[in-house]
Order: sequence, then structure tokens, then C-alpha cells
Amino acid sequence: GAGVSQSPRYKVTKRGQDVALRCDPISGHVSLYWYRQALGQGPEFLTYFNYEAQQDKSGLPNDRFSAERPEGSISTLTIQRTEQRDSAMYRCASSLYDNRNQPQHFGDGTRLSIL
Amino acid sequence: AQTVTQSQPEMSVQEAETVTLSCTYDTSENNYYLFWYTQPPSRQMILVIRQEAYKQQNATENRFSVNFQKAAKSFSLKISDSQLGDTAMYFCAFMRYLSSGGSNYKLTFGKGTLLTVNP
Repeated sequence: GAGVSQSPRYKVTKRGQDVALRCDPISGHVSLYWYRQALGQGPEFLTYFNYEAQQDKSGLPNDRFSAERPEGSISTLTIQRTEQRDSAMYRCASSLYDNRNQPQHFGDGTRLSIL
Repeated sequence: AQTVTQSQPEMSVQEAETVTLSCTYDTSENNYYLFWYTQPPSRQMILVIRQEAYKQQNATENRFSVNFQKAAKSFSLKISDSQLGDTAMYFCAFMRYLSSGGSNYKLTFGKGTLLTVNP
């Protein structure tokens, strides 16, 4: 597709369940980023990949959060044993390379609600 | 750590007028990029304009321009001839980079300014 695609657009789940959020970056984009955006706030960095290698996961809040990109294209952000505080918009972005000259293009996000 | 501050939670402007959104940041880095992203009601996140810190000249993209004051660590966005479609959240963002190599290209965002353009 032409842009970054995220699925599902909305996810409602009960506390304690695991969730998996998917990101399909722009074709050919090497770098992929995950951000979390709480209501009324700007996005906060979670983690990012170059190809299949996770370069920086310093923003993951705790060990319930993990991400993978096994083939260097589609990425999955997994949250285990979800808690209500995990409710937020999760945004994925991709760029041609992790080069400062390459802007990050964002997807429309997955809005996660934990009941 | 870098911080980005947008001191105006909300602003409004009349159609066709000019509005300036403010952004300040705090960093000890000398090399970095600054960005303005917009988030319309459609919930997309769209890059509006970017500025390299080493460039003196202010960036311009059509009706959008920035006033970059490096010493003051200020990066304001000016929107000229405001249009109804400019109604959106506007986020200022900072990205540092390491000239020595290594990867650190995450964006640090401010909390945003909600701009409403009135007819």
C-alpha cells in the first residue's frame, strides 16, 4: 500500500488478556518505529527496528511489552497481561532508513481500550 | 534527556488570518532536527515541516514557516492564510542524532496544541 498500515484500528479487550498489534510499513522502508500516545498527549517512543534487528527498546515501559519484526517488514507489538493503564493509541511509523534525513511516516494507529 | 514544551494547549484563528504556535525544547545536544506534525480529526499524523539545527535559514513549506531560534531553543510554527482544513492538533518534535554513528533517531514530542480555524 501507499502508507503505513496498522491493524486493528480499534481493539477492546479485558484486563489480563494478551493483545497483538500489527504494523505493515511502507514498502522498502528499512526502519520501523512504535510509539504510544495517551489521550491529550504527544506520542512517546517505545522501540524501533532496522530491518529485523531491534535497535532501541528503551521506551518499552516494562517486560509485558515486546515487539518483533522477524522478516524485516511487518512488525508486531505484543502486550501481555494487559492492564487498564495500557489503554492508548499505539502508532507505528516507518522511514526509508534510520538516517536523520529521512522523515518518519506514521500510520493511523490502533486505539487500544482495556476494560 | 530532551524535553519539548508546547505552552499553548489550545488556540483559535479566523480563516485567512495568520497564527503562530510556540514550541521550546531543552537539550544539551548541538546537532538535531526539529519537526512539526499535524494530527487532524482523521487521526492521521502528518509531517508539516522540518528544520535542521545546523541551518540558519528558517524552513518554509507553502503557507507554513518556522522561526527557529537556536540560542533560545525556540521553534515556532507560523501558518499564513489559515484555512478551515488546518483545524488539527499540532505537535512539535525533536530528534537528536549521533554524528559518531549509532542509532538514536527516536522522536520526542510535545503535548500538542489544538488549533481551531473559525469561518
